Amino acid sequence: AQRVTQPEKLLSVFKGAPVELKCNYSYSGSPELFWYVQYSRQRLQLLLRHISRESIKGFTADLNKGETSFHLKKPFAQEEDSAMYYCALSARTGANNLFFGTGTRLTVIP
Amino acid sequence: GAGVSQSPSNKVTEKGKDVELRCDPISGHTALYWYRQSLGQGLEFLIYFQGNSAPDKSGLPSDRFSAERTGGSVSTLTIQRTQQEDSAVYLCASSFWGADTQYFGPGTRLTVL
Repeated sequence: AQRVTQPEKLLSVFKGAPVELKCNYSYSGSPELFWYVQYSRQRLQLLLRHISRESIKGFTADLNKGETSFHLKKPFAQEEDSAMYYCALSARTGANNLFFGTGTRLTVIP
Repeated sequence: GAGVSQSPSNKVTEKGKDVELRCDPISGHTALYWYRQSLGQGLEFLIYFQGNSAPDKSGLPSDRFSAERTGGSVSTLTIQRTQQEDSAVYLCASSFWGADTQYFGPGTRLTVL
């Protein structure tokens, strides 16, 4: 069965400091991994997906199949990065529905 | 263009009543998903539509929950005989096809008293 774990419910960093939001997954097949973000009073939106290998808003995430991790990183946090971040997995079969972690609330302290 | 819309934005109902939640996907999106977010929990998959058919209903928590989609567009999620544990934010998402990026609506916050 698929499972996504985000061990930190809350994470606070100072502006300009590096930030890493952790995500671990379990799935026996070859999943696709995503990070979704929800800013205050906005809807959930895609931040990045591992197959795109993009850097969005300075964030990157590398899929580590050996450690079954997909941690989200940014070298210098900005105040506008404060939001709720969700890691999600798609089995890439059938419905392609997403399995979400419970989310990490990131607060960037000015 | 317009994003996914959902109505109502908030719904308060009494235990035992039926409720209908509506989702208008992005025009042209063939895949439509319903998720639920309960307090302190991650998003939980409920049901998936490809066109008007629902090949995957595995996430529906009980037979009180049902959903339909007409004309390959609008979808309604119906909860019969609501219970307090049904209180949650119900999110709808759509995508061009099953493997594409899912775009989420603003959600409907359901409170069952």
